Amino acid sequence: GESVGLHLPTLSVQEGDNSIINCAYSNSASDYFIWYKQESGKGPQFIIDIRSNMDKRQGQRVTVLLNKTVKHLSLQIAATQPGDSAVYFCAEGGSGNTGKLIFGQGTTLQVKP
Amino acid sequence: DGGITQSPKYLFRKEGQNVTLSCEQNLNHDAMYWYRQDPGQGLRLIYYSQIVNDFQKGDIAEGYSVSREKKESFPLTVTSAQKNPTAFYLCASRSYGGELFFGEGSRLTVL
Repeated sequence: GESVGLHLPTLSVQEGDNSIINCAYSNSASDYFIWYKQESGKGPQFIIDIRSNMDKRQGQRVTVLLNKTVKHLSLQIAATQPGDSAVYFCAEGGSGNTGKLIFGQGTTLQVKP
Repeated sequence: DGGITQSPKYLFRKEGQNVTLSCEQNLNHDAMYWYRQDPGQGLRLIYYSQIVNDFQKGDIAEGYSVSREKKESFPLTVTSAQKNPTAFYLCASRSYGGELFFGEGSRLTVL
């Protein structure tokens, strides 16, 4: 069946360093991928998305990389700040346009001052 | 401001009681979704609705029910048939082809 997973449950980085959060997915037919940030006790916030016809997309301080060959997705955060501390989820948009997302288990990013 | 409003934020329930979680959006989105989140876990889809008066089961629909009588509203009822209802419940909505927006969540605890 479909599944989305993240490689590490927790990532600890120094303030100012770059962060890389990884995610693996299993459905090779997936054509839409999204990264969300969730702060404690709040709903997830959209960070960035990418479609399968791209392998890289950049936003403000964030970059998403998609490697369809190995079914791997990563989120890079440049110059990590204390406000970036949160749980990060990758999600896969399944085939069709129902808007259903399959979420990974999340990586907790801890930023050390 | 446009957004998704979930209420209540915290809810306590005795075993055997049904409870209803409210979700209202003023984003004019056609589709709405309910997800469940357990500690340390990702989100799992309970129910979704793409248009008014229509909804489909997600991956974990057993013990839950929904209605979609208005475009703006998608309430979720957690019934007594749900064996382990304590969780964080998230409502979301999206326009056709757009990104998914989430509410702030409702935390249900069964006593």
